[in-house]
Amino acid sequence: NAGVMQNPRHLVRRRGQEARLRCSPMKGHSHVYWYRQLPEEGLKFMVYLQKENIIDESGMPKERFSAEFPKEGPSILRIQQVVRGDSAAYFCASSPRDRAINNSPLHFGNGTRLTVT
Amino acid sequence: EDKVVQSPLSLVVHEGDTVTLNCSYEVTNFRSLLWYKQEKKAPTFLFMLTSSGIEKKSGRLSSILDKKELFSILNITATQTGDSAVYLCAARGSNYQLIWGAGTKLIIKP
Repeated sequence: NAGVMQNPRHLVRRRGQEARLRCSPMKGHSHVYWYRQLPEEGLKFMVYLQKENIIDESGMPKERFSAEFPKEGPSILRIQQVVRGDSAAYFCASSPRDRAINNSPLHFGNGTRLTVT
Repeated sequence: EDKVVQSPLSLVVHEGDTVTLNCSYEVTNFRSLLWYKQEKKAPTFLFMLTSSGIEKKSGRLSSILDKKELFSILNITATQTGDSAVYLCAARGSNYQLIWGAGTKLIIKP
């Protein structure tokens, strides 16, 4: 399956722990986007990355949240010292290159559902 | 501020009915509007619309864009229980970001 792969599918963390969410883009895609979705709400943009570079992190909280997309391996969304309000579905999407140029649709992974207890 | 508004927020119909979902947008330097279907997992791409008045069709689903009135509709004819899902609309402006609506939750009763 050459689709966007996210893991884990479900993640349970206690308050104060760290959560690490992984995303492997589609084959040939070099750009990754992370979105958060709360119940009954749409997708909220968090961060846009290409390999070894954060393009835009304007949607990501300044504290406790970080993202990376190394030269080798998946993109990681890291949430430190999780709180109950971080409980949500986190979706990753990828595209082949700068969508502002090719205007192509995003392809999404199945998401990671984070529950903070 | 850019925004996308979908209506209705939820809709319950019987199998065989036809439904129309609405999406209005206000996006700076609008480029395209996209429809996705989301069941319990990944949003799956349905349509991308860039020009007014040109209907896109895929089986029982069709969509059209009105760039003058700033809205799009998604039609589903002869609905089936498998059409039950949340339908998401997103608009793209001049940058790479998509502005998402909250979705319409569609329930098809047998």
